[in-house]
Amino acid sequence: GENVEQHPSTLSVQEGDSAVIKCTYSDSASNYFPWYKQELGKGPQLIIDIRSNVGEKKDQRIAVTLNKTAKHFSLHITETQPEDSAVYFCAQQGGSEKLVFGKGTKLTVNP
Amino acid sequence: DGGITQSPKYLFRKEGQNVTLSCEQNLNHDAMYWYRQDPGQGLRLIYYSQIVNDFQKGDIAEGYSVSREKKESFPLTVTSAQKNPTAFYLCASSHRRGEAFFGQGTRLTVV
Repeated sequence: GENVEQHPSTLSVQEGDSAVIKCTYSDSASNYFPWYKQELGKGPQLIIDIRSNVGEKKDQRIAVTLNKTAKHFSLHITETQPEDSAVYFCAQQGGSEKLVFGKGTKLTVNP
Repeated sequence: DGGITQSPKYLFRKEGQNVTLSCEQNLNHDAMYWYRQDPGQGLRLIYYSQIVNDFQKGDIAEGYSVSREKKESFPLTVTSAQKNPTAFYLCASSHRRGEAFFGQGTRLTVV
């Protein structure tokens, strides 16, 4: 199947600390792994993505790592700021081209 | 402006009624998706379509129907067979195997 498990479901950090969210997937044909940020009452927005031919990708304070052997990928946010507070979703897309999401992580950055 | 538009933003349905949620995109995307979001459940896939005149069931298709007569449009009908339709509904579009763009959502409430 094309399931995605996401942990933790809630995460609270102090401003300036790092935050890490992890996802595992089951479909070995998965080849596209995006991360989305959703603010209250709005649709999710893509913040970073990675494809299966790359192990790591970085964009300023945000990075994603992919371990294909272990079938997991992670989002890393460094130097967190209060505006990073939101719900974050991982997703994966495999052979069927369905885009399947994890259940989300509510991140709170305390000033 | 290019984008994806959902309407209405809020919708109220009486029990036993069918209602249709609109989703339009002018991004020239082939793929379109409908998700349902409930608190703590993440984004669950209802239906998706990769090309015009073709669509596939997602994980929770029962009680819903869709059509894809035009590339730009992917309306979702919530039928009376859907026993618990109150939720936040999100539409997305993408090039096949690419970044998905979300609309701002429709909040459906049964009254």
